Amino acid sequence: AQKITQTQPGMFVQEKEAVTLDCTYDTSDPSYGLFWYKQPSSGEMIFLIYQGSYDQQNATEGRYSLNFQKARKSANLVISASQLGDSAMYFCAMRGFQKLVFGTGTRLLVSP
Amino acid sequence: DSGVTQTPKHLITATGQRVTLRCSPRSGDLSVYWYQQSLDQGLQFLIQYYNGEERAKGNILERFSAQQFPDLHSELNLSSLELGDSALYFCASSATGRDTEAFFGQGTRLTVV
Repeated sequence: AQKITQTQPGMFVQEKEAVTLDCTYDTSDPSYGLFWYKQPSSGEMIFLIYQGSYDQQNATEGRYSLNFQKARKSANLVISASQLGDSAMYFCAMRGFQKLVFGTGTRLLVSP
Repeated sequence: DSGVTQTPKHLITATGQRVTLRCSPRSGDLSVYWYQQSLDQGLQFLIQYYNGEERAKGNILERFSAQQFPDLHSELNLSSLELGDSALYFCASSATGRDTEAFFGQGTRLTVV
């Protein structure tokens, strides 16, 4: 079975600084996908970034990058140059068999 | 805007009642997923449909059922509602179910009183 662990319930960062949100995973599947989603207070789930297990390079999408360390089974999200609008819950997820398995989330608060 | 449409956005109903949540996937997406997000259980996968057929089942109660219609929209039916069913219910869609992206709707917030 797949499992996602997010050990940081909350993180604080100042505007314009970078922040890393931790995610470790466990799976016996040789092929898998890792996702990060953002959930602002309004409730919607916003897709941020995807990393495939066979991808050679770390995924990047604008200010978001995924620090994928396969041997350590970690897929940390790095947000560069934080903005006030980045304040939200962030969920790491893994695509298991036909479904996404989510971690418990990290609440990020960006201060001016 | 993810392109996935869920209705209604909010729903308040009494215990014992039955409700239907509706989801229209992104244009061209064949796969639809339903998730439940509650404070104590986090995000839980309920069920997946692919092109009208059930593909995978998660922690879905027997009181809950779903279907995907020929036009690919999906409905989640919740019956004999209990207070503990109060949650945010998400629908997500992807092209095939093994994609690099899965897009979520805005969710339906169900409150059972």
